Amino acid sequence: RKEVEQDPGPFNVPEGATVAFNCTYSNSASQSFFWYRQDCRKEPKLLMSVYSSGNEDGRFTAQLNRASQYISLLIRDSKLSDSATYLCVVIAPGGSQGNLIFGKGTKLSVKP
Amino acid sequence: DAGVTQSPTHLIKTRGQQVTLRCSPKSGHDTVSWYQQALGQGPQFIFQYYEEEERQRGNFPDRFSGHQFPNYSSELNVNALLLGDSALYLCASSPNRRAGEKLFFGSGTQLSVL
Repeated sequence: RKEVEQDPGPFNVPEGATVAFNCTYSNSASQSFFWYRQDCRKEPKLLMSVYSSGNEDGRFTAQLNRASQYISLLIRDSKLSDSATYLCVVIAPGGSQGNLIFGKGTKLSVKP
Repeated sequence: DAGVTQSPTHLIKTRGQQVTLRCSPKSGHDTVSWYQQALGQGPQFIFQYYEEEERQRGNFPDRFSGHQFPNYSSELNVNALLLGDSALYLCASSPNRRAGEKLFFGSGTQLSVL
């Protein structure tokens, strides 16, 4: 089983749609969780951290379910500029803080 | 304030050659990590340097080596290149080996091995 698994997509949605991405992780003792955004062949950029209580940043909402080892990202009112690959990221316990474990990413394409 | 800078941006090599990639961390950062991202995959951790020493290593062979200099900049060396080494190589920096919100990536070096 891969350490971090994501649906690769692609997700093709119209502008204004709500889209949800899911991610599962294998190590139940993992401590820190993030969503990164990566535009085509550019560097990943932190979108948001994911907290147990859930957190929201504008149109973006992240949720963590430790019991199910499941992380989600919800994007409301999709914009054309949201088109990118969204990477689920975990820091495993005992690993250096620089050792991020990435999923393969989920590609989102928002159409006019 | 310059972010993480990497050079070169693109590189073409042939099998068996050796390559050196360079990274300058963001100002105020002393820790550098290297990642390999093959096409269609997420980045994979290669190793991390802090205080001029390799502190942690991912599942990469000894052909991959690195160095960190007193000014915190870093190099990634790959020997005996294979076709499978073709990838985007990303450098990330952070302060005091921290990550998460404190980790910043450079724009990467695209390596093609022919």
